[in-house]
Amino acid sequence: AQKVTQAQTEISVVEKEDVTLDCVYETRDTTYYLFWYKQPPSGELVFLIRRNSFDEQNEISGRYSWNFQKSTSSFNFTITASQVVDSAVYFCALSEATSNTGKLIFGQGTTLQVKP
Amino acid sequence: EAGVAQSPRYKIIEKRQSVAFWCNPISGHATLYWYQQILGQGPKLLIQFQNNGVVDDSQLPKDRFSAERLKGVDSTLKIQPAKLEDSAVYLCASRLRSSSGAEGNTIYFGEGSWLTVV
Repeated sequence: AQKVTQAQTEISVVEKEDVTLDCVYETRDTTYYLFWYKQPPSGELVFLIRRNSFDEQNEISGRYSWNFQKSTSSFNFTITASQVVDSAVYFCALSEATSNTGKLIFGQGTTLQVKP
Repeated sequence: EAGVAQSPRYKIIEKRQSVAFWCNPISGHATLYWYQQILGQGPKLLIQFQNNGVVDDSQLPKDRFSAERLKGVDSTLKIQPAKLEDSAVYLCASRLRSSSGAEGNTIYFGEGSWLTVV
């Protein structure tokens, strides 16, 4: 069965601290996609990154970086030098490519609060 | 490029009343989704359309929820009659098409329609 677990419900940091958001997933498929979305108070889910199951290369985009490890079924997200504007709910999600529907299975979300 | 458009943004209704939400996906996107997000939870899929056909509506409470995408572009989600437990954000999302590789498999979301049932 597909499942995404974000064990951290809420995280609070002070501006400029680094913070890592954890994501663990379960799937029986060998081909799948993993995503991170940001949901600010406005409600829109903003796409941050997509990673397919065959690409374990870590990725860095500005202050954001992602660590994908198939061996531990984890896809963790790190924000370096956090800013107040990073405050939001962050969702990790899984999509199984073999079903071809693109249906996303979301984790419960992690609320990040960055204090000035 | 315009994103996924939804309306209304906010709606408050009494239980047993009806409500309708509208969605216009990103131009050219063949797949359209409606997700329900209850406060404090991740979004859950209600229904998925491929062009104007339903692909997956297994999680749609069909006794009260209905959705259509008649011309393969805009979509409407209706709830009738509403229950208190329907209070949630209704998110519309779209995807280009799966044959377009990784980018085609990225799903983009609108701002959502916030429903409060009192």
